Amino acid sequence: ETGVTQTPRHLVMGMTNKKSLKCEQHLGHNAMYWYKQSAKKPLELMFVYSLEERVENNSVPSRFSPECPNSSHLFLHLHTLQPEDSALYLCASSQGLGRGRSGANVLTFGAGSRLTVL
Amino acid sequence: DAKTTQPPSMDCAEGRAANLPCNHSTISGNEYVYWYRQIHSQGPQYIIHGLKNNETNEMASLIITEDRKSSTLILPHATLRDTAVYYCIVSGQGFGGTSYGKLTFGQGTILTVHP
Repeated sequence: ETGVTQTPRHLVMGMTNKKSLKCEQHLGHNAMYWYKQSAKKPLELMFVYSLEERVENNSVPSRFSPECPNSSHLFLHLHTLQPEDSALYLCASSQGLGRGRSGANVLTFGAGSRLTVL
Repeated sequence: DAKTTQPPSMDCAEGRAANLPCNHSTISGNEYVYWYRQIHSQGPQYIIHGLKNNETNEMASLIITEDRKSSTLILPHATLRDTAVYYCIVSGQGFGGTSYGKLTFGQGTILTVHP
């Protein structure tokens, strides 16, 4: 496996279910991201995660919670979602430069997990 | 991050060069210009990035004006497989005080390559 792998590719869940999306990167990167893409809307950054620091977007509802057990794996735990949460959820990774440094930051994206909430 | 402006859609004939413009008049000195594309329902694919100088790789060329207020992505010989949404993103600062990426995606340009 190379690149960024997301599973499952498709998920249908009810509003009372608890499910998780998984992302795995094989690029040796140290930063991972969750983006959300709703129909006909731009990609929205949800979370940035690294070994050193987890950064949360304050506008993300608590029914979404990320987990990053190591630098290669990222999860998005879902519970009591709403139908409007139906979207394509994209994981990405990059080689972060660390606090205080600036430079180019190229993200590699996975193919996405298509979530439908009934 | 600086806001970018792109035309909503463009057409190109197969085999011809596709020139996709992007305006970023509020770009600051340490911000990079990135181009990504997204083929329907797939994850975005990185194409190229630049700071001040023009750049070329196996996929495309990036031309940045001297004042850095606009840029053009050039696909030298467009194919049908280049039909996608192309995003121009300007970013240089990290998110939450770090240097990790916060790429803010707009609506992009829908490029349609015709036979």
